[in-house]
Amino acid sequence: QQQVKQSPQSLIVQKGGIPIINCAYENTAFDYFPWYQQFPGKGPALLIAIRPDVSEKKEGRFTISFNKSAKQFSLHIMDSQPGDSATYFCAASKGATGTASKLTFGTGTRLQVTL
Amino acid sequence: GAVVSQHPSRVICKSGTSVKIECRSLDFQATTMFWYRQFPKQSLMLMATSNEGSKATYEQGVEKDKFLINHASLTLSTLTVTSAHPEDSSFYICSASSPLLVYGYTFGSGTRLTVV
Repeated sequence: QQQVKQSPQSLIVQKGGIPIINCAYENTAFDYFPWYQQFPGKGPALLIAIRPDVSEKKEGRFTISFNKSAKQFSLHIMDSQPGDSATYFCAASKGATGTASKLTFGTGTRLQVTL
Repeated sequence: GAVVSQHPSRVICKSGTSVKIECRSLDFQATTMFWYRQFPKQSLMLMATSNEGSKATYEQGVEKDKFLINHASLTLSTLTVTSAHPEDSSFYICSASSPLLVYGYTFGSGTRLTVV
């Protein structure tokens, strides 16, 4: 059962644009929502993460918006650059940071930022 | 900080042989290690979870006798693909977790396994 649904599957934006990637979850026990960036042939790298007690979190050009009632969260990339071209995964887990809870990943979004 | 070193980054082996992949947490103690498999253009699929000193917990459909996981210390976990076949060719990624990590999880750089 896919517990975290991610869309779109792929996205092309021009440099400077603001790509938005959306995720929806089913399990209300999830309380940790990270976003990962993955380049080809590399492991995922954490971009930003949020907990359900806040509705928005910003780190540099990356912003997470979180809607607890709708069970949705999204990633916005401000002033996107060609170097942001990568695959982005949302994820969710239960339990406090650093516990042994497994991450449930979304299906991924392939982002291409053109010049 | 919070670096996980995974190697080899690439390995090619013959069918029927075994391959060992190592993940080491360099600057923290990894109480839990997760092993993932990723097919091209797909998401990460959790294979198993292991806690230091305990037997690994495998996800449904993952053959524990084929994918041997050892987590003998707080800084080292290994995944051994036994009697590898071409269908085992994939990208394998480890992830370490510790109560001391701010964001809970850190990933290795992955291992590209090709079985010929």
